Parts: sequence; structure tokens; C-alpha cells
Amino acid sequence: DAKTTQPNSMESNEEEPVHLPCNHSTISGTDYIHWYRQLPSQGPEYVIHGLTSNVNNRMASLAIAEDRKSSTLILHRATLRDAAVYYCIQRGSNYKLTFGKGTLLTVNP
Amino acid sequence: NAGVMQNPRHLVRRRGQEARLRCSPMKGHSHVYWYRQLPEEGLKFMVYLQKENIIDESGMPKERFSAEFPKEGPSILRIQQVVRGDSAAYFCASSGLGVYNEQFFGPGTRLTVL
Repeated sequence: DAKTTQPNSMESNEEEPVHLPCNHSTISGTDYIHWYRQLPSQGPEYVIHGLTSNVNNRMASLAIAEDRKSSTLILHRATLRDAAVYYCIQRGSNYKLTFGKGTLLTVNP
Repeated sequence: NAGVMQNPRHLVRRRGQEARLRCSPMKGHSHVYWYRQLPEEGLKFMVYLQKENIIDESGMPKERFSAEFPKEGPSILRIQQVVRGDSAAYFCASSGLGVYNEQFFGPGTRLTVL
């Protein structure tokens, strides 16, 4: 069962920043936070992951709370191609990815 | 570098037939995972394989489902005597060594059972 909690849906306007929240209150010290996204009719795509510090890559930024019980995925400038379901995954020393229902992001032109 | 490849992309079977889904991992990847996504649901882990070994099949239904990853060739997910409830999207992922390595997913096979 998924251990994270995300809003069912969020809406954004094109070229504006998007902050996608995730709660993971049961996280342990060695669990990583991974984010994947799934575009319509495609397989999931890795976005970013982190442990304690904030992380940046070409796709997004990940801000992790100091107590690690929550995190936020930040898309700096949303485009129409960012419309997808975003999954926040709490991952221990385990190869299994446990997907919840994720957040459906709608981007308005 | 080609990504994870799955075929067929769409598969239609009648109840009682067999379905064979194929997955070729990314070049250099020796770990393969299968996930199933039922309509309106999240992805569920099914099985984790390495070459010639099933490491974890805890997510596989007990009957009719089997998976293999032979020394040569793609990984195969086989569903015997399909039923309507097997209709779903089946995704394969692969990764390199390391438990936190990201998994790269294929485009999926959408199975429809009539």
C-alpha cells in the first residue's frame, strides 16, 4: 500500500510555476523520496529523487521538509507537455515502487 | 541508446486464450520489473527478475500468470486462460545495479480480453 498522500488533482497555467505537495509522515531515516510522472497512454517516467537535501535537475526541483515528513515537487515553468499524473513514492531499501493514485496535473494554455 | 521496448503495444484476446507480453530492457540493464495498471488504478508491482532468475514474484496472481527472463532474448510475461479481469496495461521497467537506481519504464502493453 502507498505510504504517501497527495492531492487528487491540481491545475496550473502555462509558464507558471507548479508546486506539487506530498506527505510521507511514516518515512524512516533511510527512505528516499522518488517522483515519477505518467503522461497519457505512456509508461511512468522518472522525474527526481532525494533523501534530505533539496535536489535540482533539468526537469524539476525537489524541496524536502526539515523533518522529512513532506516534500514538494516544483516545476519552474509548466508547459502543456507537463500535464500528467505525478506520483510521489517513499522508497526504502527495496526495488519495488509502490504507486498511489498520484496527482493529476492539468496545465491550462 | 534505445529505451525499454515492449511488444505488442496492444493485444486483444478472447477469454480462455493465452497472452504473451514481451519486454526488452535498456542496453546494459540486467534487472526487469513488471507492473500492472488496472483501469482507474495505480500501478501495482508484479514481479522482479534478473537473467534466468525470479527474485520476487510476490505481486503475481497465484494462478495463470508466469514470467521469465532467459539468458538470451526478452523477458516474457505469460497469462494463460485469460479472463476479462486481466484487461489492463502491463508495464515493464528495467534498471542497472543498485537498489536505488531509477527504473526506466517501457510504453506498456494494453491487454483487452473480450
